[in-house]
Amino acid sequence: DAGITQSPRHKVTETGTPVTLRCHQTENHRYMYWYRQDPGHGLRLIHYSYGVKDTDKGEVSDGYSVSRSKTEDFLLTLESATSSQTSVYFCAISRQGDEQYFGPGTRLTVT
Amino acid sequence: AQSVTQLGSHVSVSEGALVLLRCNYSSSVPPYLFWYVQYPNQGLQLLLKYTTGATLVKGINGFEAEFKKSETSFHLTKPSAHMSDAAEYFCAVSGSNDYKLSFGAGTTVTVRA
Repeated sequence: DAGITQSPRHKVTETGTPVTLRCHQTENHRYMYWYRQDPGHGLRLIHYSYGVKDTDKGEVSDGYSVSRSKTEDFLLTLESATSSQTSVYFCAISRQGDEQYFGPGTRLTVT
Repeated sequence: AQSVTQLGSHVSVSEGALVLLRCNYSSSVPPYLFWYVQYPNQGLQLLLKYTTGATLVKGINGFEAEFKKSETSFHLTKPSAHMSDAAEYFCAVSGSNDYKLSFGAGTTVTVRA
């Protein structure tokens, strides 16, 4: 299994609070991704990174920001959490930008 | 731009029967195609991929898929279903010069004893 960890694995937070999810890899892969998974939608890309300090938006980036200051860490921040951001969040990594390997996920509930 | 359509959100098969999951894609450039499997409360695991070369691709757990350019399809099959195949399956596509995947909505497979 690819060395990907996500923290926390579960989180309950209140509307309006900031939340940061962490993805950590030990594979030294160049590309890292954040997705959200919701029933009936498959996985939708939030943001991705193609190198340290190099990031770009995905299809559902509103309300989210990311940072990557080291190869191994990719942070996803919800500046002010809303109930519509209740979801399961997955991090993925890729060596060359083709096949991706996924972390175990973070289940986020916004009350 | 790339997109994926998975036909059928739920498929039920008997143990030992053929598993067939349908995936059609659209892509403005030669595609890379993937199938992933997700077991309950887990992340996605790569089953198989097509990038270039042979159009019949074999993956893990006895699954295979065939890339048919003329039909823009990449259907997933397994000759004989096992109870352990019960999971959700996702088809995904990227362009050959793109670094992002577009996923289908997923197909949940249940296996009847």
